[in-house]
Amino acid sequence: DSGVTQTPKHLITATGQRVTLRCSPRSGDLSVYWYQQSLDQGLQFLIQYYNGEERAKGNILERFSAQQFPDLHSELNLSSLELGDSALYFCASSDSGGLTDTQYFGPGTRLTVL
Amino acid sequence: SQQGEEDPQALSIQEGENATMNCSYKTSINNLQWYRQNSGRGLVHLILIRSNEREKHSGRLRVTLDTSKKSSSLLITASRAADTASYFCATDSAGNQFYFGTGTSLTVIP
Repeated sequence: DSGVTQTPKHLITATGQRVTLRCSPRSGDLSVYWYQQSLDQGLQFLIQYYNGEERAKGNILERFSAQQFPDLHSELNLSSLELGDSALYFCASSDSGGLTDTQYFGPGTRLTVL
Repeated sequence: SQQGEEDPQALSIQEGENATMNCSYKTSINNLQWYRQNSGRGLVHLILIRSNEREKHSGRLRVTLDTSKKSSSLLITASRAADTASYFCATDSAGNQFYFGTGTSLTVIP
């Protein structure tokens, strides 16, 4: 158990809908990272927040957005969902702000778009 | 496209044998990391090697980095059934670019 929690575990929704994925980092960690893992695209880094501020941006679509709240939990919002958005979404956390820091991954949220 | 390509895509070995997997990347990097992922679960960080390092060890893991060839290898010695997982390399480079490789699926047969 990494100490990172993600909810929900599974999410099934329809095309065009909007969903919110939630992540709670390990106690004391200031950085939260979001990743997408799909058969087509593999593992992709989406975005990183550090202490509430966006720190690094990867291949995140404009339909996706994220934020980190004062209590350091983070949410990833996915809108206008398409079939291709079906994937495992992972959150990770680390205690500082660099991409090289050891990241601790949550169990993931499996999103299925029908 | 992804920064890293891993080879082989899949590897099956007997328990006790060594497993070697390779990662090639496209642009200059600051660091390279290796992660393990058990089926459908989150990734676990294994080891980080910096661009000015050539080799690093951690327990049964040995990582090499050849920046001139833009490649890295991960060697797992004396493999165990519990090593069965997918292994990914991840690179970070200038401009906060962070990419994972395509992964190698390792099966260790008891």
